[in-house]
Amino acid sequence: GDSVTQMEGPVTLSEEAFLTINCTYTATGYPSLFWYVQYPGEGLQLLLKATKADDKGSNKGFEATYRKETTSFHLEKGSVQVSDSAVYFCALSGRRSGGSNYKLTFGKGTLLTVNP
Amino acid sequence: SQTIHQWPATLVQPVGSPLSLECTVEGTSNPNLYWYRQAAGRGLQLLFYSIGIDQISSEVPQNLSASRPQDRQFILSSKKLLLSDSGFYLCAWSVQGSSYNSPLHFGNGTRLTVT
Repeated sequence: GDSVTQMEGPVTLSEEAFLTINCTYTATGYPSLFWYVQYPGEGLQLLLKATKADDKGSNKGFEATYRKETTSFHLEKGSVQVSDSAVYFCALSGRRSGGSNYKLTFGKGTLLTVNP
Repeated sequence: SQTIHQWPATLVQPVGSPLSLECTVEGTSNPNLYWYRQAAGRGLQLLFYSIGIDQISSEVPQNLSASRPQDRQFILSSKKLLLSDSGFYLCAWSVQGSSYNSPLHFGNGTRLTVT
């Protein structure tokens, strides 16, 4: 079945440091890939997505490129801010067998803490 | 615009007591609806999935049940809570008939502690 593996945290960085959170996946066919962010005490929000190989999703300074050859979707940001402190989830969406609706499979999440 | 409401935000219940968590979506019709549970160190687990009124799929065997009495209302219930039911419960929706490119939209969650 589908699965997502992302680097375990927690990740602690100083403000303006470079961020990489690794994500690899296993799926049949051609899934869509997503990064969600969860700020403390809140639900998840979509951060960015990519729907086919070599697509780059970007939002709020974050980027991730859909790499089919390495089955990866690593999240990067050039200069993190204290306000980026949150839990980040990598996810993929693949077709459910026998249906036309789609199921999202999540990684376990990576806690990022950015210190001033 | 579409909004999703989930309540209560926090809940402390004794073992063996019943549970009812409610989720409603506004601004869209006939959405797909989902209940997820987030346990520490275990990521998000899909519990239930619904494509329409009274059409609910259970993803994992457990002590919980779900109902969808109205198009945009999704309820998570239990007759007798277990300690292992503690966690953060998230309701989400997506556009009915959407492609796999479409994201989920999450509520703010309910923190359930079973004591």
